Amino acid sequence: DIQMTQSPSSLSASVGDRVTITCRASQGIRNDLAWYQQKPGKAPKRLIYASSSLQSGVPSRFSGSGSGTEFTLTISSLQPEDFATYYCLKYNNYVTFGGGTKVEIK
Amino acid sequence: EVQLVESGGGLVQPGRSLRLSCTASGFKFDLYAMSWFRQAPGKGLEWVGFLRSKIYGGTAQYAASVTGRFTISRDDSKSIAYLQLDSLKTDDTAVYYCAREGNTIAPDYWGQGTLVTVSS
Repeated sequence: DIQMTQSPSSLSASVGDRVTITCRASQGIRNDLAWYQQKPGKAPKRLIYASSSLQSGVPSRFSGSGSGTEFTLTISSLQPEDFATYYCLKYNNYVTFGGGTKVEIK
Repeated sequence: EVQLVESGGGLVQPGRSLRLSCTASGFKFDLYAMSWFRQAPGKGLEWVGFLRSKIYGGTAQYAASVTGRFTISRDDSKSIAYLQLDSLKTDDTAVYYCAREGNTIAPDYWGQGTLVTVSS
């Protein structure tokens, strides 16, 4: 089975900071990678799919990149509503989550 | 508007069974795979499995942790996906979410979740 290693597991940042979260796959997964945001008590919300495609309605400060085994989610300028937990997800034929990254207020 | 609503959660004893439902609306249900996920209290998200649409063969895939105990089915005439949970363990305590897709497309729409508590 393909494993997804997400880092860091948590980070503290200030409003306006640039934030980068990484996911590494144990083997190549082409671009079958999505990113989700989850707030406490809520269902996950898809931000990015196919590694770099921005979900409709999601602010352009969110971006994704990567292919093969290494992927990143970047928030260009962190906003108060972005404090949440973020997960990468590998899909297509088998589904695996990264362990999550909790983004907290510094 | 796409909507997914889970139901059927509750308190159940270890070893017993439960069936969850996911009622869909706002899209052509029979064209899409349907997935189930779960999240134990204070933990990360975990994939449970998905069931492909009949046009993709109607086959299912499951996480190793639930294979042989959980079964996903669907009633396309009612736009409902089901998750049958058998031989439940205390470790199965979680909020269970259904989502559209997960096969060839990253899951896009999610339900609000239903809590399953396995305890004696």
